[in-house]
Amino acid sequence: GAGVSQSPRYKVAKRGQDVALRCDPISGHVSLFWYQQALGQGPEFLTYFQNEAQLDKSGLPSDRFFAERPEGSVSTLKIQRTQQEDSAVYLCASSLGQGDYEQYFGPGTRLTVT
Amino acid sequence: GENVEQHPSTLSVQEGDSAVIKCTYSDSASNYFPWYKQELGKRPQLIIDIRSNVGEKKDQRIAVTLNKTAKHFSLHITETQPEDSAVYFCAATDSWGKLQFGAGTQVVVTP
Repeated sequence: GAGVSQSPRYKVAKRGQDVALRCDPISGHVSLFWYQQALGQGPEFLTYFQNEAQLDKSGLPSDRFFAERPEGSVSTLKIQRTQQEDSAVYLCASSLGQGDYEQYFGPGTRLTVT
Repeated sequence: GENVEQHPSTLSVQEGDSAVIKCTYSDSASNYFPWYKQELGKRPQLIIDIRSNVGEKKDQRIAVTLNKTAKHFSLHITETQPEDSAVYFCAATDSWGKLQFGAGTQVVVTP
């Protein structure tokens, strides 16, 4: 089947605008992760879902960041009042869960805040 | 929380030579250690992984070793080819599966 998909692939936002980033995980994958990757660095954990439950949001950098996965499949990462430091690639990954740790990444959304 | 350190940050090798990347981790509860390859502008791709009950795993030209006592693991690429040029990330996971990544190694294979 299809891999993890993300949309949009590129997003340019003016400082102060709200953005919404979408992730479609692999069908049947229970676990879904969001990561932020700044230029030249490794991905940094943001938040984790098991089905529709958000079990860990310790990596969200501020209360301007919000994520949801209401039906346990598609997830949306929302950033309110974007700041320049939010510019990065936002990666989504999914895994089967339940002890199966292999995570498969989507292509990412490159967010540029001007 | 988990902290993963990765060395070297850049690695230049001649085609056909071997490349070795080393990582250390801090959380003794970590039990899964994947390696990802990321080409410029592309998604990270899982190339090999190892679990804590195994000391070594090999897949064609790629091998990974794990020393749980010392809390370090390494990626070995033999007979390197130009298409091996990329950034490689090691990672360690907690019980939820959350990945903590190293800073990455830029590997350049010169013909």
